[in-house]
Amino acid sequence: GAGVSQTPSNKVTEKGKYVELRCDPISGHTALYWYRQSLGQGPEFLIYFQGTGAADDSGLPNDRFFAVRPEGSVSTLKIQRTERGDSAVYLCASSLSPPLAGGHEQYFGPGTRLTVT
Amino acid sequence: GENVEQHPSTLSVQEGDSAVIKCTYSDSASNYFPWYKQELGKGPQLIIDIRSNVGEKKDQRIAVTLNKTAKHFSLHITETQPEDSAVYFCATNSGGSNYKLTFGKGTLLTVNP
Repeated sequence: GAGVSQTPSNKVTEKGKYVELRCDPISGHTALYWYRQSLGQGPEFLIYFQGTGAADDSGLPNDRFFAVRPEGSVSTLKIQRTERGDSAVYLCASSLSPPLAGGHEQYFGPGTRLTVT
Repeated sequence: GENVEQHPSTLSVQEGDSAVIKCTYSDSASNYFPWYKQELGKGPQLIIDIRSNVGEKKDQRIAVTLNKTAKHFSLHITETQPEDSAVYFCATNSGGSNYKLTFGKGTLLTVNP
């Protein structure tokens, strides 16, 4: 079946601009996650959705970052007043819900490479 | 918070040899340990995982071992092939969380034909 998809695959924006990154999870997966991956590093947790609500947004670096999932499927990560330090690959993942005790398999999309100039 | 150390950062082997990547973690509440393979320009792909109620799991040429007492787990790839070349990440669930994964920094594996 179809995996997690993310659009756009690449996004170049100027410092100070607003960007939106989109994620389509695997059909039937109600848990959705956003991670950020800087060059040479592993993914870092940003936010977790269970259905429509953000169950844990503790990884969002500051209030310029916000994510929504209004219908419990597609999610959008929004970044305001972008800074050069926001440049990274933003990964989305999904999993079956509810997560089993001890964690459940997370399946990642290909990511959106964001470059802030 | 959880700290995951992964080594080596790079590993080069000849085709057909075995490769071993090791990770240590700090939080004794961690009980889920997935391994991901990431090829250039792609997202991480789950290749194998293990939970704390078992010490070893094998899937064809890939195996993972877990030592909860020492807080370390390892990925073993046997009979390596050039298509195994990629960056491999270990991860664990922070604080026993059902959803939050903490990743190591990755190991670049190169399999030379």
